[in-house]
Amino acid sequence: GAGVSQSPSNKVTEKGKDVELRCDPISGHTALYWYRQSLGQGLEFLIYFQGNSAPDKSGLPSDRFSAERTGGSVSTLTIQRTQQEDSAVYLCASSVGLAVSYEQYFGPGTRLTVT
Amino acid sequence: AQRVTQPEKLLSVFKGAPVELKCNYSYSGSPELFWYVQYSRQRLQLLLRHISRESIKGFTADLNKGETSFHLKKPFAQEEDSAMYYCALSLNTGFQKLVFGTGTRLLVSP
Repeated sequence: GAGVSQSPSNKVTEKGKDVELRCDPISGHTALYWYRQSLGQGLEFLIYFQGNSAPDKSGLPSDRFSAERTGGSVSTLTIQRTQQEDSAVYLCASSVGLAVSYEQYFGPGTRLTVT
Repeated sequence: AQRVTQPEKLLSVFKGAPVELKCNYSYSGSPELFWYVQYSRQRLQLLLRHISRESIKGFTADLNKGETSFHLKKPFAQEEDSAMYYCALSLNTGFQKLVFGTGTRLLVSP
């Protein structure tokens, strides 16, 4: 079946512009996660959703970052007034549920470049 | 604070040689540890988790709580093992919040 998909695969934007990154999880997966991988860094957890709810937003780097999920499916990560330090690969993952026993399946990522 | 350390950015070995990718963690709770792998032009995928105590593609990893380590080992490396390997720690937060290391690139030469 189809895996997690993300769009766009690449995004180049000017500093100060807003961007939206999209994630389509595997059908039926209730849990969805966003991570960021900056150059030379490990993956950094940003936010997770259980259904449409995001109980813990403390991983978001600043108030310029927001995320939503609708219909228990598609999620969008929005970055307002982008800065150069936002340049990174943004990964989305989904799993059947939140428990550790459930494997997280990752998407291919969106490479964001802020010029 | 919780942290995962992978001291080697690059590990280069010859085919058939033993491989050990190091991972150390810092966490005051009961750790759940994973190894993820990313092959060239493929997405990140789970390789193995300590709770399963299984061998995947010849790789094994043992959790050593005394040394706070979860090193990944394979007795005889193959060229197709060349990839980026990430060690990850799941925090007991009620959901699977993963803390990743910076990764080790394994290069297996013929």
